[in-house]
Amino acid sequence: EAQVTQNPRYLITVTGKKLTVTCSQNMNHEYMSWYRQDPGLGLRQIYYSMNVEVTDKGDVPEGYKVSRKEKRNFPLILESPSPNQTSLYFCASCQLGVDADTQYFGPGTRLTVL
Amino acid sequence: AQTVTQSQPEMSVQEAETVTLSCTYDTSENNYYLFWYKQPPSRQMILVIRQEAYKQQNATENRFSVNFQKAAKSFSLKISDSQLGDTAMYFCAFMKSYNAGNMLTFGGGTRLMVKP
Repeated sequence: EAQVTQNPRYLITVTGKKLTVTCSQNMNHEYMSWYRQDPGLGLRQIYYSMNVEVTDKGDVPEGYKVSRKEKRNFPLILESPSPNQTSLYFCASCQLGVDADTQYFGPGTRLTVL
Repeated sequence: AQTVTQSQPEMSVQEAETVTLSCTYDTSENNYYLFWYKQPPSRQMILVIRQEAYKQQNATENRFSVNFQKAAKSFSLKISDSQLGDTAMYFCAFMKSYNAGNMLTFGGGTRLMVKP
C-alpha cells in the first residue's frame, strides 16, 4: 500500500530534550515536506526537500532541523524543544510534475512540550 | 504572499442533502493549483479534489465537485448526497505553479457536521 508513515504518533516531552520525528514514504517520491498545524492557522510549511541532500526552509523553520540522506526518509529534528512547538505535525510527499504536484500526507504526530 | 480564506468556521447538513463550502484566495499569480483536503477525527489529511487554474472545466470526483471562478478568486466545494462519513474539517489550499518549495497555503478550515 502506497503511504507516508510517521513515528511516533504521539509524544510528550520536556523543554530542551532533543527529539526526532521520523517520516518515511514508499512511493519513490522526490519531494517531501513537513508542516505544523495549529488551531485557526491551518497548516504551515516548516521545511521541504526536493531530492536527496537538497533541503530548504519553508514558512516557519525556526527551531527545527531536517535531513534527507535517503530518498524515502525525511526526519524532523527538534534539538531543544520549547512549549511553543506543541503542535500537530504532518509529513507529506509528492512526485514532482505529476497530478499537479499533489502532496500526500502522513497520519500526523501530536507533540506536546511541557 | 498568497492568502486563503474560508469564511464558514462551522457548517451542518442533513444526511443525503447537498452542502457547499466556500473558499476565496488572494494571489497575483496566473498559474496555480487549488485543492480541498478533508481531515476526519482521525486527523489524517486526505485529498478530496484538485483544480488546475488553467483548466476552465470544474473538477469533479464522484459526489464532490468544485465551482472554480478564477476572476472572482473563488473555489467552493459542493458535496452531494452527504454521508455521515463526510463529517470532518475541510481545508482549502493554494499552491503556485513552478513553486520551488511546493508550499501549500491553507485556509483556516471549515468544520462540517453531517446529521442523520
